[in-house]
Amino acid sequence: GAGVSQSPRYKVAKRGQDVALRCDPISGHVSLFWYQQALGQGPEFLTYFQNEAQLDKSGLPSDRFFAERPEGSVSTLKIQRTQQEDSAVYLCASSFGFVQGETQYFGPGTRLLVL
Amino acid sequence: GENVEQHPSTLSVQEGDSAVIKCTYSDSASNYFPWYKQELGKRPQLIIDIRSNVGEKKDQRIAVTLNKTAKHFSLHITETQPEDSAVYFCAASNAGGTSYGKLTFGQGTILTVHP
Repeated sequence: GAGVSQSPRYKVAKRGQDVALRCDPISGHVSLFWYQQALGQGPEFLTYFQNEAQLDKSGLPSDRFFAERPEGSVSTLKIQRTQQEDSAVYLCASSFGFVQGETQYFGPGTRLLVL
Repeated sequence: GENVEQHPSTLSVQEGDSAVIKCTYSDSASNYFPWYKQELGKRPQLIIDIRSNVGEKKDQRIAVTLNKTAKHFSLHITETQPEDSAVYFCAASNAGGTSYGKLTFGQGTILTVHP
C-alpha cells in the first residue's frame, strides 16, 4: 500500500516568509509525529498527534511553529516568519496505534532552505 | 529527557567484514529501541527493533543486542555488502505515559562498505 507522503519535497523561502508543509500518513494510522533533521544529524522530535488531538508539542522550537491535523488524517506544519536556522529536512512519521513499541513509518521529508 | 549517544560517527569496512554500531541511552524508562537506515536524500527505514523484554534479536545478517543494566544497545551487521552503505540511526523511546512513543535519535553512523 501507499506509504507516508509529504509535499512539497523541496521548498526555498526568503527569510521572513511563511511556509506550510503537508504530511499524508498511512491510511488508518492513529499516531502522527513531526521531526526536524538538521544536516548531518539525527531527527529531532517536534510534535505528536493522536488522531486530531495534539498531545505533545514540547519539541517545537518557537511559537513561530504551528502544526494541525484537523480531521485526524492529513497534517500541516506551518512555520511563520522563517529564519535561516529553520533550514532543515522536516520528516513526518505515522504509526498504526499508540501502544508500546509501535513502528513509525517515515515520509521522504520536505527539505526547507531559508535564504 | 532522554539522551542517546551513538558511536562511531563513521565506519569503513571491507565487503564481507562485520560492522558494529553502539548506542547508549540515559532514561531507564525507555523500552523500545529501533534502528533506521537512511540512504542519501531518502527517508529513514526501519531495519530492526528490540523491546526491553528481549536481550537479542536477529534477522538474517542483522542483529541487535540490548543491555538494560548498562543502558546500551548495539547493531551488528555480518557479511557486509556495498548496498549496506548508508547512515544508520539508533533511537530510543518510552511508549508509556506521556511520552507517546516519540523517538530520541542518536547522531548517526556513516557506514561505508568497500567492494
